[in-house]
Amino acid sequence: QKEVEQNSGPLSVPEGAIASLNCTYSDRGSQSFFWYRQYSGKSPELIMFIYSNGDKEDGRFTAQLNKASQYVSLLIRDSQPSDSATYLCAVNQDTNAGKSTFGDGTTLTVKP
Amino acid sequence: DAGVIQSPRHEVTEMGQEVTLRCKPISGHNSLFWYRQTMMRGLELLIYFNNNVPIDDSGMPEDRFSAKMPNASFSTLKIQPSEPRDSAVYFCASSLDSSATEAFFGQGTRLTVV
Repeated sequence: QKEVEQNSGPLSVPEGAIASLNCTYSDRGSQSFFWYRQYSGKSPELIMFIYSNGDKEDGRFTAQLNKASQYVSLLIRDSQPSDSATYLCAVNQDTNAGKSTFGDGTTLTVKP
Repeated sequence: DAGVIQSPRHEVTEMGQEVTLRCKPISGHNSLFWYRQTMMRGLELLIYFNNNVPIDDSGMPEDRFSAKMPNASFSTLKIQPSEPRDSAVYFCASSLDSSATEAFFGQGTRLTVV
């Protein structure tokens, strides 16, 4: 079992819909959780981080964390074609943003 | 700021040759990370420096890999000798410090070993 698991996709949603991306992790002691977006041929860029159980909203993005279930998700509201990318879930044992274990990513396609 | 700068962007080398990848972190950032990304294994942390000191190199795959950070503005990742299975995109990332909530990635070096 991988330490961080994501559905590889591809996940396809129509423009304007909500895209839901999911991630589970195996280390119950994990402290911080990150979502990165990676366009094809480009480097990962941070979208959101979350440390506490519950929801965290930033614009069209909402991260959800449930430590009891070892589950973290990313919701993208009003999806746009420009959101089409691979979304990487990253999990840390502490609050060090760069020292992450990454999932393999979920490829999202938003169709106009 | 220009962000994290990596060079070269692309490298093609023959098996057995030495390869050196270079990274300039964002000025003022004290933590630096080297990652490798492949289709098979995804994005993997190779080594992490804090204040120029290697803190965790448990991700370095073999003794053929070595990394240095001689000063706060420069790091290298060396592979000697290189093998075809080393072909990957190598990313360097930096963050303000060891408790920073964001790490910034460079554009990566695409390494092909033939």
